[in-house]
Amino acid sequence: GAGVSQSPSNKVTEKGKDVELRCDPISGHTALYWYRQSLGQGLEFLIYFQGNSAPDKSGLPSDRFSAERTGGSVSTLTIQRTQQEDSAVYLCASSRAGQGARSTIYFGEGSWLTVV
Amino acid sequence: AQSVTQLGSHVSVSEGALVLLRCNYSSSVPPYLFWYVQYPNQGLQLLLKYTTGATLVKGINGFEAEFKKSETSFHLTKPSAHMSDAAEYFCAVSELQGAQKLVFGQGTRLTINP
Repeated sequence: GAGVSQSPSNKVTEKGKDVELRCDPISGHTALYWYRQSLGQGLEFLIYFQGNSAPDKSGLPSDRFSAERTGGSVSTLTIQRTQQEDSAVYLCASSRAGQGARSTIYFGEGSWLTVV
Repeated sequence: AQSVTQLGSHVSVSEGALVLLRCNYSSSVPPYLFWYVQYPNQGLQLLLKYTTGATLVKGINGFEAEFKKSETSFHLTKPSAHMSDAAEYFCAVSELQGAQKLVFGQGTRLTINP
């Protein structure tokens, strides 16, 4: 597609349930990122995938959070046993590889997660 | 570690007035600097970025920013505000090399008064 696509756009879940958020990056972009945007913490880096390299998971807040990227394209962010503090907008982004910060990161519109 | 400070969580200007959104950064290496805009219920859109070269960077929608190394600043300006500029603006910094992990400021909400 033309842009980064995320689904669902909105998700309300009960505390303790697992959720999966999906990201479809821009075609040809080998770098993929997940960020979280919340009222208390602002925009935080979660995880970064680049090609076949091991992902940089340094931003994941707890072991309840995990992400995978299949076939170098679509990524799924999974949150297990959701807590109310997980309520946030989860933003996915992608960029071309091999250019460092010279490449532009394009963001999706986000998945709004509410844990009740 | 890198960090970004945006002075003023809310800025309000009149239509046609100068827009100035302040951003200061901390980085142990020469940084790459970015301004993103977020309109209501939308994702982040890149306004402009500084990597190397000219320190005055022009972006979309008439915005520009100047990298001042001596002041560790990257303030965003627009000579004449338009109602459509109302949004939240984020300054971000990333490492010169390696993964392009962005460290964001807390954001500044810009309101335009008619």
